[in-house]
Amino acid sequence: GNSVTQMEGPVTLSEEAFLTINCTYTATGYPSLFWYVQYPGEGLQLLLKATKADDKGSNKGFEATYRKETTSFHLEKGSVQVSDSAVYFCALSDRTGGFKTIFGAGTRLFVKA
Amino acid sequence: EAGVTQFPSHSVIEKGQTVTLRCDPISGHDNLYWYRRVMGKEIKFLLHFVKESKQDESGMPNNRFLAERTGGTYSTLKVQPAELEDSGVYFCASRGQSNSPLHFGNGTRLTVT
Repeated sequence: GNSVTQMEGPVTLSEEAFLTINCTYTATGYPSLFWYVQYPGEGLQLLLKATKADDKGSNKGFEATYRKETTSFHLEKGSVQVSDSAVYFCALSDRTGGFKTIFGAGTRLFVKA
Repeated sequence: EAGVTQFPSHSVIEKGQTVTLRCDPISGHDNLYWYRRVMGKEIKFLLHFVKESKQDESGMPNNRFLAERTGGTYSTLKVQPAELEDSGVYFCASRGQSNSPLHFGNGTRLTVT
């Protein structure tokens, strides 16, 4: 079945550091890929998405590229801010799974001033 | 538009008691989902409603969990009787189209003691 694996946290960075959170997936079909973010005390919200191979999703300075050959969708940001501290979830959905969204375990990011 | 709302935000109950969680999706969203995150692990799918019908309940852990969506508007998830392993954060999400991103509520943190 479909699954998502992402790097374990927590990840602790200083402000303005470069961020990478790795995500790989297993899917029987051609999934859409997502990154969701959960800020403290809030629900998950969509950060970015990509619907086909080689697409790049981007938002708020974050980027992720859909790599079919490596089944990956790594999240990157060139310069993190304290306000980026949150839990980040990689996810996928596809037609063969009835568009059910499957999530990874989440990676907690702490950014220090 | 109003977002997905969940009630209560926190619930602490004793083993053997009953708890009912409520979710009000975004108005007009036919698709409603329940998810659960236990102890920092992945967010696991519980079930999916399309309007008032259960489309997929493959993630429901056992028959102590009962979900309803009468009239195709709000949904309830009842746990009866609660066990210690039911503790976690229960998220509700909704969306209009099957493959559009999910809109999440803030979750209900359930603690069973």
